[in-house]
Amino acid sequence: DSGVTQTPKHLITATGQRVTLRCSPRSGDLSVYWYQQSLDQGLQFLIQYYNGEERAKGNILERFSAQQFPDLHSELNLSSLELGDSALYFCASSRLVSETQYFGPGTRLLVL
Amino acid sequence: AQTVTQSQPEMSVQEAETVTLSCTYDTSESDYYLFWYKQPPSRQMILVIRQEAYKQQNATENRFSVNFQKAAKSFSLKISDSQLGDAAMYFCAYRSGGGSEKLVFGKGTKLTVNP
Repeated sequence: DSGVTQTPKHLITATGQRVTLRCSPRSGDLSVYWYQQSLDQGLQFLIQYYNGEERAKGNILERFSAQQFPDLHSELNLSSLELGDSALYFCASSRLVSETQYFGPGTRLLVL
Repeated sequence: AQTVTQSQPEMSVQEAETVTLSCTYDTSESDYYLFWYKQPPSRQMILVIRQEAYKQQNATENRFSVNFQKAAKSFSLKISDSQLGDAAMYFCAYRSGGGSEKLVFGKGTKLTVNP
């Protein structure tokens, strides 16, 4: 158990819908990262927050957004969902930006 | 942009034997970190080992060790005394030492351990 929690574990929804994925980092970790794992794209970095502020952006679609709250938990919002958004979404956290990232168990999203 | 290549989509090893998984990377940076993560069927991403580029000594963690060849940009993982629980996807990952802290992953190697 890495200490990073993600909810829900599974999510099934329809095209066009909006969902919110939640991540709680390890106690004391200030940095949160979101990654997407899909069969065709592999593991890709989406976005990073550090102590409530956006720090880096990767290949994140405009339909996707995220935020980190004062208690350091983070949410990834996916809207206008398409079939191709079906993937495993991981959250990772680290104490400082220079340290090792520890991954949560992931949220498996299926868009029908 | 940095890239990570794992040239072996699948590997197999007999229980108790040794196996080496390959990883090469491309970067123009001198300061960076390299990682191996394991993803078992549960899909959890588990850190196996970490190597700092400025360290000449190869990292080891129990039965897991790396062969880090900085000039060749090679970072292989050796698993000794393989166990059934080692069966998983293994991902090699790169992280810059400055600027972006994102991990760049290879496509993974699926390791099968035969009893």
